[in-house]
Amino acid sequence: EVQLVQSGAEVKKPGESLKISCKGSGYSFTSYWIGWVRQMPGKGLEWMGIIYPGDSDTRYSPSFQGQVTISADKSISTAYLQWSSLKASDTAMYYCVRQLDIVATVDYWGQGTLVTVSS
Amino acid sequence: DIQMTQSPSTLSASVGDRVTITCRASQSISSWLAWYQQKPGKAPKLLIYKASSLESGVPSRFSGSGSGTEFTLTISSLQPDDFATYYCQQYNSYSPLGAFGQGTKVEIK
Repeated sequence: EVQLVQSGAEVKKPGESLKISCKGSGYSFTSYWIGWVRQMPGKGLEWMGIIYPGDSDTRYSPSFQGQVTISADKSISTAYLQWSSLKASDTAMYYCVRQLDIVATVDYWGQGTLVTVSS
Repeated sequence: DIQMTQSPSTLSASVGDRVTITCRASQSISSWLAWYQQKPGKAPKLLIYKASSLESGVPSRFSGSGSGTEFTLTISSLQPDDFATYYCQQYNSYSPLGAFGQGTKVEIK
């Protein structure tokens, strides 16, 4: 069974760093792209970026370039999304997703990681 | 960049109603359009891909149509489980990454 299991909810202060994770199982982790999607409270879905764990090819949506870093460790089938300095506006639910190609339908979603940034 | 625009933003309907949601692309995306359903507190779920192909396990009351720049998602007879937010997504081109529409919330009338 294909699963994307994300790390748990986080509560952080502005300026702190954070790295959340997404562990894939039940499929060949290096054969699919893993993307990250942001959903701010009460709002829609926004693509942040995507990585191909097979060769670490990574692309970012313009709005998120330089704001976050996406990485993957194929040895443990895990992708990451990290911030070096959080802002209150980073408060959101973050989903990791799987897709077959860099532009494709999303066939599996993680359960989401809620990040709350508040002083 | 391809922009996706859904209408309406909110739709009030009753159980048994026929419901139609529209998604427009700022340029042609052929049939490379998907529809997702999201319920509160849950991750979205794929309903339709390639504009009109039903994902396995999705009830047949859901259907999709369109090509080029205009697409529709139709629920033939709205059921209680269908009250949710629906998103379209283009996957014709890379820029931006598989852009989503802004969503349509289907509410109980």
